[in-house]
Amino acid sequence: AQRVTQPEKLLSVFKGAPVELKCNYSYSGSPELFWYVQYSRQRLQLLLRHISRESIKGFTADLNKGETSFHLKKPFAQEEDSAMYYCALRLASGSRLTFGEGTQLTVNP
Amino acid sequence: GAGVSQSPSNKVTEKGKDVELRCDPISGHTALYWYRQSLGQGLEFLIYFQGNSAPDKSGLPSDRFSAERTGGSVSTLTIQRTQQEDSAVYLCASSSAGVGNSPLHFGNGTRLTVT
Repeated sequence: AQRVTQPEKLLSVFKGAPVELKCNYSYSGSPELFWYVQYSRQRLQLLLRHISRESIKGFTADLNKGETSFHLKKPFAQEEDSAMYYCALRLASGSRLTFGEGTQLTVNP
Repeated sequence: GAGVSQSPSNKVTEKGKDVELRCDPISGHTALYWYRQSLGQGLEFLIYFQGNSAPDKSGLPSDRFSAERTGGSVSTLTIQRTQQEDSAVYLCASSSAGVGNSPLHFGNGTRLTVT
């Protein structure tokens, strides 16, 4: 069965510092990977997806099939990036989305 | 126009009572999901509906949990004989297709507290 692991429950950085939220998955096929974000008192929403190869709010994530990772990165963190971040995986042939346990990011002034 | 709507937003119930949680997905979305969000547990998949196909119930934690989706739209998650460990935020999400990388649109959730 597929599994998503986010090793850090809490991550704290200072404004302007680089940030990397780790995500590893276990699945032998070709999954679809996503990052979802939940800001304080807002609903969970899609941040980015690997297939789009996009940069959203300065965040990027590269799928590394060799390391089965999909780490989320931003070179210069901002205070408004403080939120809960979830990595998620979906099998290419199905639609059930499996989430990791989430990482609470705090960006300090 | 509106997003995914869930009701009630908060529910406090006594242990042993039954509860029903409602989800109104985005109009036209064929896929509907229920997740449970607990502190330290992340997002736990419960059940998934896609069109007229049989639902994927593999995430339901016990037979006290059930869900239905009437007319391919509104869904109700029912928890019978609630236990304290059922306390969590129950999230509903919908998406426009069953395959491909269409994103999930989440509701605000129902916060369930079992006393």
